[in-house]
Amino acid sequence: GAVVSQHPSRVICKSGTSVKIECRSLDFQATTMFWYRQFPKKSLMLMATSNEGSKATYEQGVEKDKFLINHASLTLSTLTVTSAHPEDSSFYICSATGVPGRDTEAFFGQGTRLTVV
Amino acid sequence: GDSVTQMEGPVTLSEEAFLTINCTYTATGYPSLFWYVQYPGEGLQLLLKATKADDKGSNKGFEATYRKETTSFHLEKGSVQVSDSAVYFCALSDPRDDKIIFGKGTRLHILP
Repeated sequence: GAVVSQHPSRVICKSGTSVKIECRSLDFQATTMFWYRQFPKKSLMLMATSNEGSKATYEQGVEKDKFLINHASLTLSTLTVTSAHPEDSSFYICSATGVPGRDTEAFFGQGTRLTVV
Repeated sequence: GDSVTQMEGPVTLSEEAFLTINCTYTATGYPSLFWYVQYPGEGLQLLLKATKADDKGSNKGFEATYRKETTSFHLEKGSVQVSDSAVYFCALSDPRDDKIIFGKGTRLHILP
């Protein structure tokens, strides 16, 4: 149990286009979902925290208008990279909390490798 | 702010060798500490955790002890296997907001 599915796993897009990444909790209702970005040879960096039905809380330095997060339901959060540029190429990963009795445990999606050409 | 520092990789060991991956942290509160593992082609998985000082987390032969006096949470395993080859992330979480702060990750290669 406690599976988080992230889609797509890989995407290549042209510079200037937008890309949507989905994060779904398959067998539990996620009270909170988190979006991370992993830079080469660097740590995972938290981008934003989202709760169902409310606006996402972005970390300092993350552009809200560029990285749009929508948490439409208790099982789905989406990250849209708008007007993507090559410097947005990275590995994006989501996580979710909310499994009853395992509140402190985060479950991670498989990650999405974004390449902007 | 809170941060996690772990030893840089890659770490290459022979099968059955003893493993230590160092991790230290800085935090203003009383965080929970975690080790996550990312096997090739897979997502992150929780390996073990400790929620208070002197707690020992253990799983799959791996252990780590929450040392408040040295602000450390070193990962150890007595005899590694080829299947342990992966990237290991040390992390902390402030229980007040569930945010997780990760170290840079340590890539481990185990040679048969």
